[in-house]
Amino acid sequence: DAGVTQSPTHLIKTRGQQVTLRCSPKSGHDTVSWYQQALGQGPQFIFQYYEEEERQRGNFPDRFSGHQFPNYSSELNVNALLLGDSALYLCASSDRTGGPYNEQFFGPGTRLTVL
Amino acid sequence: KNEVEQSPQNLTAQEGEFITINCSYSVGISALHWLQQHPGGGIVSLFMLSSGKKKHGRLIATINIQEKHSSLHITASHPRDSAVYICAVMDRDDKIIFGKGTRLHILP
Repeated sequence: DAGVTQSPTHLIKTRGQQVTLRCSPKSGHDTVSWYQQALGQGPQFIFQYYEEEERQRGNFPDRFSGHQFPNYSSELNVNALLLGDSALYLCASSDRTGGPYNEQFFGPGTRLTVL
Repeated sequence: KNEVEQSPQNLTAQEGEFITINCSYSVGISALHWLQQHPGGGIVSLFMLSSGKKKHGRLIATINIQEKHSSLHITASHPRDSAVYICAVMDRDDKIIFGKGTRLHILP
């Protein structure tokens, strides 16, 4: 049973470019959440997708957008990259039908460097 | 003030020592997670708890809902326990709020 997978593992972009990160949830999970973790900090919640819709959003600008596909996989898109967007981007999946306390399983992350 | 505070921020101990990491939070929660993050970034969920105490091997997690406090204990610590330990709470809207983590270094 594959856990949460993310691609790519590392990515280098320049300011102003756009980037797409991908996440495949753990088998049987239907909810995907995205987090940004700056160096030396705890992760910050970006948004959560369920049933192909953005259900919740953290304090991130509209440059950050996402998508969830019918197979529950998800993409995170960041437009007009800034140096401050350099971070580890983590994806986590959970099973919304499992009850109110949805344990999240994390992927290995994508490390984005913006030059 | 952060909604989730962890202490200490950094901890260095000798192999075999009993380790305690504390987490205090200021919001209403439905559950609390303890996570382990090794260098390179991968996060592993250690515990999710909403009351009482859970134990897994040498790891013990406790939570006091009234005091809004949780602790993670490691017994007989080992150098392979060296990692960042993150406390994260799930608020009433099912959003997760993370602490900044405690960097643990166990010396052989």
